[in-house]
Amino acid sequence: GAVVSQHPSWVICKSGTSVKIECRSLDFQATTMFWYRQFPKQSLMLMATSNEGSKATYEQGVEKDKFLINHASLTLSTLTVTSAHPEDSSFYICSAEGKRELNEQYFGPGTRLTVT
Amino acid sequence: GQNIDQPTEMTATEGAIVQINCTYQTSGFNGLFWYQQHAGEAPTFLSYNVLDGLEEKGRFSSFLSRSKGYSYLLLKELQMKDSASYLCATMDSNYQLIWGAGTKLIIKP
Repeated sequence: GAVVSQHPSWVICKSGTSVKIECRSLDFQATTMFWYRQFPKQSLMLMATSNEGSKATYEQGVEKDKFLINHASLTLSTLTVTSAHPEDSSFYICSAEGKRELNEQYFGPGTRLTVT
Repeated sequence: GQNIDQPTEMTATEGAIVQINCTYQTSGFNGLFWYQQHAGEAPTFLSYNVLDGLEEKGRFSSFLSRSKGYSYLLLKELQMKDSASYLCATMDSNYQLIWGAGTKLIIKP
């Protein structure tokens, strides 16, 4: 099956620093990747849709200058949380669009970010 | 607006059967997904329904009624490892997933 990896799986950083999270599709090419954020006991919230070679489309309320997304290749998308604050602490999950006939998204394992 | 409702929490007994319901209102419809999510982990795909009816896959079955905006996930022969959150999500006309808040399923011995 389709495999999506994320790195790192967890990270602790100090307030004001930037953190980069990588999302890779390991055995398929993903023209579209999605970035989600999930707070404890809440549903996944779509942050942005990332298309290879073009600018990401951000959901309403998500600061594009704070959450920088780069989809440089068909197998890699990165999310950089700039000037992180404690309220950015969350579980960040990426997914890659898979088989067209199922409209299925394959999820990465997630990255837990803690900002101190 | 777009809305997905599912119960917050359910409890069932090991070996029993449980049905988790999901009702939805979305802009356009391109299918309904069920995902399983264990605490601290990303969701894993369980099922996809785009036509009315029941899809069976081992111990798990998913049902869809588009006219009623209703789906359920049926879990049979419950095992302790089935304790998890079950997320209902629909795909709208823009092929974006709209997520429910999830149903936490607690399995008791």
